[in-house]
Amino acid sequence: GDSVTQMEGPVTLSEEAFLTINCTYTATGYPSLFWYVQYPGEGLQLLLKATKADDKGSNKGFEATYRKETTSFHLEKGSVQVSDSAVYFCALSDQRKSTFGDGTTLTVKP
Amino acid sequence: EAEVAQSPRYKITEKSQAVAFWCDPISGHATLYWYRQILGQGPELLVQFQDESVVDDSQLPKDRFSAERLKGVDSTLKIQPAELGDSAMYLCASSPWTGENSPLHFGNGTRLTVT
Repeated sequence: GDSVTQMEGPVTLSEEAFLTINCTYTATGYPSLFWYVQYPGEGLQLLLKATKADDKGSNKGFEATYRKETTSFHLEKGSVQVSDSAVYFCALSDQRKSTFGDGTTLTVKP
Repeated sequence: EAEVAQSPRYKITEKSQAVAFWCDPISGHATLYWYRQILGQGPELLVQFQDESVVDDSQLPKDRFSAERLKGVDSTLKIQPAELGDSAMYLCASSPWTGENSPLHFGNGTRLTVT
């Protein structure tokens, strides 16, 4: 079945540092790929998405590119802020349902 | 921006008791999902509705869990009897359509603690 694997956390960075959170997937078809963010005590919010190979999703300074050849969708941000501290989930969606990774906790220190 | 409403935010119950969660999706969203999120893990689908019909409940423990969406709008998820292993966050999500391009809109969840 479909699966999503994220880099294990937690990740701790200083403010203005470069962020990469790795995500790879296994799917039988051609799914859409998503990054969701979860702040403490809240539900998940869509951060960005890409629907086909080589698409780049972007939002709030975050970017991720759908790489079919490496089955990856790594999340990047050039300069993180304290307010980016949260749990980040990579997910794929096919015709039937969405499958989530286990999440990566990011803590940004001033 | 419209939101998915869930209640209660927190619920503490003793094992063997019954518990129920309520969800009101974004207006006009035909597809509604219930997910369970165990601490430190990603959400896992319990049940998916299209309007009032169940389209996927393959991961729902049907001996103790039930879900309904009688009028195709709001939904209730029930656990009876609750077990210690049911302690988790229960998330409701909705989307305007079903398909691989449809992002999910999540509520803030119900944190269940079974003692």
